Amino acid sequence: DTGVSQDPRHKITKRGQNVTFRCDPISEHNRLYWYRQTLGQGPEFLTYFQNEAQLEKSRLLSDRFSAERPKGSFSTLEIQRTEQGDSAMYLCASSLLLAGTDTQYFGPGTRLTVL
Amino acid sequence: AQSVTQLDSQVPVFEEAPVELRCNYSSSVSVYLFWYVQYPNQGLQLLLKYLSGSTLVKGINGFEAEFNKSQTSFHLRKPSVHISDTAEYFCAVSEPTSYDKVIFGPGTSLSVIP
Repeated sequence: DTGVSQDPRHKITKRGQNVTFRCDPISEHNRLYWYRQTLGQGPEFLTYFQNEAQLEKSRLLSDRFSAERPKGSFSTLEIQRTEQGDSAMYLCASSLLLAGTDTQYFGPGTRLTVL
Repeated sequence: AQSVTQLDSQVPVFEEAPVELRCNYSSSVSVYLFWYVQYPNQGLQLLLKYLSGSTLVKGINGFEAEFNKSQTSFHLRKPSVHISDTAEYFCAVSEPTSYDKVIFGPGTSLSVIP
């Protein structure tokens, strides 16, 4: 039984560059979530998908951020024109919605450092 | 709007001693409540959750939490901690009508001292 995986685990980039992260959820989980976690803070919700549909986006998700889940399986989160303030841990979680409740299972995260 | 407060940013405790990590929330409606643990360099793991029913919830690794509606609290307890419990603990809340959007507190760093 494999859990949620994220790739890469670490990414160092220069300001202004574009980066893309990948998340592979637990097989057959229909919901996928992205969070951002900065040092000393709890995760902040960014967006989530049910199957391939993106159902909600946080105001934290500026126009430079885009997320996709094209086939309802893995998801990508792209950040364009990175800024130093984008440095954070990006967490992915997945869940299987059953009877109106679900438990989110988190991946190990991708740590982004923008120089 | 919902929010979660974890008053203690760091809690040092000796091994085999009891511990309580405090969590208070604000919400105008009924809520679901969660505790997650994050070990170093790992993702978050669900310890326990309160959806409805009994206000005392038991979770994994010997942890339990009690929901107190009047005090809007959901404190986490363990009667005897181990070195392996050293981690970051996050309290979180969501609304039943918006179960998907989980709001996390800032976290409490538990350090177990041998």
